Amino acid sequence: NAGVMQNPRHLVRRRGQEARLRCSPMKGHSHVYWYRQLPEEGLKFMVYLQKENIIDESGMPKERFSAEFPKEGPSILRIQQVVRGDSAAYFCASSPPGAGLRDTQYFGPGTRLTVL
Amino acid sequence: DAKTTQPTSMDCAEGRAANLPCNHSTISGNEYVYWYRQIHSQGPQYIIHGLKNNETNEMASLIITEDRKSSTLILPHATLRDTAVYYCIVRVYNTDKLIFGTGTRLQVFP
Repeated sequence: NAGVMQNPRHLVRRRGQEARLRCSPMKGHSHVYWYRQLPEEGLKFMVYLQKENIIDESGMPKERFSAEFPKEGPSILRIQQVVRGDSAAYFCASSPPGAGLRDTQYFGPGTRLTVL
Repeated sequence: DAKTTQPTSMDCAEGRAANLPCNHSTISGNEYVYWYRQIHSQGPQYIIHGLKNNETNEMASLIITEDRKSSTLILPHATLRDTAVYYCIVRVYNTDKLIFGTGTRLQVFP
């Protein structure tokens, strides 16, 4: 299976704990995007990364959220001191290096975060 | 940013063609139209995209009007597994993010 992989698929945290969500892009893809979907809502863009660079973080909350895509290994979305409002499905997508507008994003199965 | 307008929900009989419309009257000349679908709570699945010409692949056909202000996604023979929320997205020029609206909830019935 050469698709986008995300883990864990389900994550339960208590308020104040940290959540780490991992995303491995499709083979050959060097662009990673993170989206969040609150219950009964559409997906909202959070951040776009290339290897070792954050390209667009206009959708990231100003505090507690960070993302990285190191040279080796998966992309990580980190949420510090989680609150109940962070409960959502977090989707990662990847696309190949290419011409920007013409690149299709392929999504992973998502991580469902529940904050107790 | 170009906005899209889609009906909230549609029904389609199994085996019939499902035609899902989308209005994007403010689209710019070099913005692409993308279609994704989300089955239940799974990750969005890419279906098709186009710029000016009609497109067809193994999943669907995309018909874009000559003035590019609207498009229609056609599933030629809908099955129960096509029940999903379908998103029409106009790719924002010179950025890489996808802006999802509320989509059309397609219900395919036996």
